[in-house]
Amino acid sequence: SQQGEEDPQALSIQEGENATMNCSYKTSINNLQWYRQNSGRGLVHLILIRSNEREKHSGRLRVTLDTSKKSSSLLITASRAADTASYFCATDGKYGNKLVFGAGTILRVKS
Amino acid sequence: EPEVTQTPSHQVTQMGQEVILRCVPISNHLYFYWYRQILGQKVEFLVSFYNNEISEKSEIFDDQFSVERPDGSNFTLKIRSTKLEDSAMYFCASSEDWWVDGPTNEKLFFGSGTQLSVL
Repeated sequence: SQQGEEDPQALSIQEGENATMNCSYKTSINNLQWYRQNSGRGLVHLILIRSNEREKHSGRLRVTLDTSKKSSSLLITASRAADTASYFCATDGKYGNKLVFGAGTILRVKS
Repeated sequence: EPEVTQTPSHQVTQMGQEVILRCVPISNHLYFYWYRQILGQKVEFLVSFYNNEISEKSEIFDDQFSVERPDGSNFTLKIRSTKLEDSAMYFCASSEDWWVDGPTNEKLFFGSGTQLSVL
């Protein structure tokens, strides 16, 4: 399976703190993406990092990718209560045309 | 920003009945997908669709499932004879076509989902 697997499964932090979520996967990829899902809603794309990139930033988000370890991390800096959601990593197979999602990390930011 | 729209938002059906879930992907997108998420579990790939045919499907997508793009805007998922275990949130998604050395995905745009409850 090429599925991404996130850890931790759940994370609870105070507003203003940083949140770090990790993702591991098993097969070669073209890119890895992170999505966010608010309760009962669809997934929203956050950031995409390609296999030849090591780090990428978007606003308060920082993503790293280590293809030798087949792992990625998502850092949310200066978290806000509105960041409370589930976060999923998703990988594509090198020759496939689908995204496979991990089980997700539930982030709760307390105000 | 353009959106993927799904209807209905909730669907309740009896076991053994047929259901059709409807989606309107973003108009200039060429790849279409169905995913599902059983409550509290991971988002599972069902099927991808490109150039009016299925390009890939998962083991979940058995003979009871079918997809169709009946016109230039709609994309539907049909479940012929629903089972209790089909109860889930079904998400439609679309993406632009983008080739590197082969088909590869850029970001997916997801609809808000249809919550299917099979009784």
